[in-house]
Amino acid sequence: GQNIDQPTEMTATEGAIVQINCTYQTSGFNGLFWYQQHAGEAPTFLSYNVLDGLEEKGRFSSFLSRSKGYSYLLLKELQMKDSASYLCAVNGNAGNMLTFGGGTRLMVKP
Amino acid sequence: GAVVSQHPSRVICKSGTSVKIECRSLDFQATTMFWYRQFPKQSLMLMATSNEGSKATYEQGVEKDKFLINHASLTLSTLTVTSAHPEDSSFYICSARAGTGITEAFFGQGTRLTVV
Repeated sequence: GQNIDQPTEMTATEGAIVQINCTYQTSGFNGLFWYQQHAGEAPTFLSYNVLDGLEEKGRFSSFLSRSKGYSYLLLKELQMKDSASYLCAVNGNAGNMLTFGGGTRLMVKP
Repeated sequence: GAVVSQHPSRVICKSGTSVKIECRSLDFQATTMFWYRQFPKQSLMLMATSNEGSKATYEQGVEKDKFLINHASLTLSTLTVTSAHPEDSSFYICSARAGTGITEAFFGQGTRLTVV
């Protein structure tokens, strides 16, 4: 089966750094994606990890450890517009489909 | 990135009627499209995988006779909610991936369905 866990909610201060964790147990693994979703909108792609290590893209970085079934999304220099849900999704073996975690609602406060 | 267009963005319908939602990949061919449903403050739940020219594969618990999926071409998939009921009110999102390799999924804008 597929099991993807991430915290339900997090709060952080503008200008700070926040780390959103994701652990997964899936039948097969072909990569992990992070998406950002603002309320009422479709998810937008943030990052993709398939090999262990850190992928940096501007203020956003994503880390993967396949042996631990663990990833995190790191957001630096937080801005108010970063308040959104962040979805961790794993591409397993079957059918090239993504299985999503429950999402983490991040609230950035002044 | 690639563009996936979904419409309508919002629809209100009466209980018992049917609603069709379209999902188009505008600048790439999508062999496979995915339909998700999202309830408030919850994550995306995969409903079905739509393959061009063949029958859709539905996830457990999703009624295939109620949620009709057609994928007649490489750029268009449709989801029809038949005999809609208030409990079908939700946010429906399609996504498509280009090719068969591991690539990012591009999402449509989503459709907010309200059944009254």
